[in-house]
Amino acid sequence: GENVEQHPSTLSVQEGDSAVIKCTYSDSASNYFPWYKQELGKRPQLIIDIRSNVGEKKDQRIAVTLNKTAKHFSLHITETQPEDSAVYFCAANLGPGRRALTFGSGTRLQVQP
Amino acid sequence: NAGVTQTPKFQVLKTGQSMTLQCAQDMNHNSMYWYRQDPGMGLRLIYYSASEGTTDKGEVPNGYNVSRLNKREFSLRLESAAPSQTSVYFCASSRDRERETQYFGPGTRLLVL
Repeated sequence: GENVEQHPSTLSVQEGDSAVIKCTYSDSASNYFPWYKQELGKRPQLIIDIRSNVGEKKDQRIAVTLNKTAKHFSLHITETQPEDSAVYFCAANLGPGRRALTFGSGTRLQVQP
Repeated sequence: NAGVTQTPKFQVLKTGQSMTLQCAQDMNHNSMYWYRQDPGMGLRLIYYSASEGTTDKGEVPNGYNVSRLNKREFSLRLESAAPSQTSVYFCASSRDRERETQYFGPGTRLLVL
């Protein structure tokens, strides 16, 4: 079936380093790719998204890149800070009519001070 | 502007009991969604409603029913709860179903004994 695969499942970096999380998707017709951040015990919150008509989008320390040919997209966080520690989920609008989002299984990012 | 609200925040049920999880949004969104989140599994779509008066099954609909009561409210019902339904349930809404940001509620933590 349609799915989104996300890697790595856990990621530990030193404060100030960069972090990269990668996702692949199965449906070449997908055209919307959001990233959500979820802190412990809280709701997922959108941090950045990209639509298929662009290859890269940046918002301060966060950037997302999209390769539609290879069907993968990545989240890049630069100059990581302890408050970046959370679980990050990628998602894509897969399947017939692209009616709803399918989420990856999440990446737990730990930023060591 | 409360965004997406959910009740209750926490519930304990015995196997076989029924309950309804309530969700409401005040953003005049057309589309609403119910997800469940289990450890290590990410968010899985149970049901969604693309617009008032319509509902569709998601990835894991078995054991659940939904009602789109009006444009603001979307409820999820467990007719006969099972331990496998122990999870955190999130409601979300978006302006429209495709290529639109989904906003999540705070979640309902459900324990079925």
